[in-house]
Amino acid sequence: DSGVTQTPKHLITATGQRVTLRCSPRSGDLSVYWYQQSLDQGLQFLIQYYNGEERAKGNILERFSAQQFPDLHSELNLSSLELGDSALYFCASSVVSEGTQYFGPGTRLLVL
Amino acid sequence: QKEVEQDPGPLSVPEGAIVSLNCTYSNSAFQYFMWYRQYSRKGPELLMYTYSSGNKEDGRFTAQVDKSSKYISLFIRDSQPSDSATYLCAMSASGANSKLTFGKGITLSVRP
Repeated sequence: DSGVTQTPKHLITATGQRVTLRCSPRSGDLSVYWYQQSLDQGLQFLIQYYNGEERAKGNILERFSAQQFPDLHSELNLSSLELGDSALYFCASSVVSEGTQYFGPGTRLLVL
Repeated sequence: QKEVEQDPGPLSVPEGAIVSLNCTYSNSAFQYFMWYRQYSRKGPELLMYTYSSGNKEDGRFTAQVDKSSKYISLFIRDSQPSDSATYLCAMSASGANSKLTFGKGITLSVRP
């Protein structure tokens, strides 16, 4: 168990809908990262927050947004969902003193 | 050309075999190199972490980094059926507080 928690584990929704994925980092970790994993693209970085502030952006679609709250948990909002958004979404956290990231169990999103 | 290339596999070996997994990369800014293991329907789990060039050993696992050739390897000795999983190489330029760039992963099956 990495100590990173994500909810929900599974999400099934329809095209055009909006969903929110939630992540709680390991205790004491200030950085939260969101990644998307699909069969054809592999694991791709979406966005990073550090202590409530956006730190870096990857190939995140404009339909997607994220935020990190004062208690350090983070939410990833996906809107106007398309079939191609079906994927595994992972959250990771890290602490400054370590050079690595620890991943949560992921949320499996299926858009029908 | 993708920043990180990983042999696509899949790879099947008998129990007890030595396994060699490899990745190449094109971005010379990468300084931190990781190997993650991912079991089916689970989040990536950190296996090995190396900074810059050199070797690192942890039990049956050895990670090698050759920055001059932009090539990293993971060796698994005395492979076990429990090693059956997808192995992902990952790299970053600035350690914990920067995004990870992943290879697409290789699925390893160790036959009893």
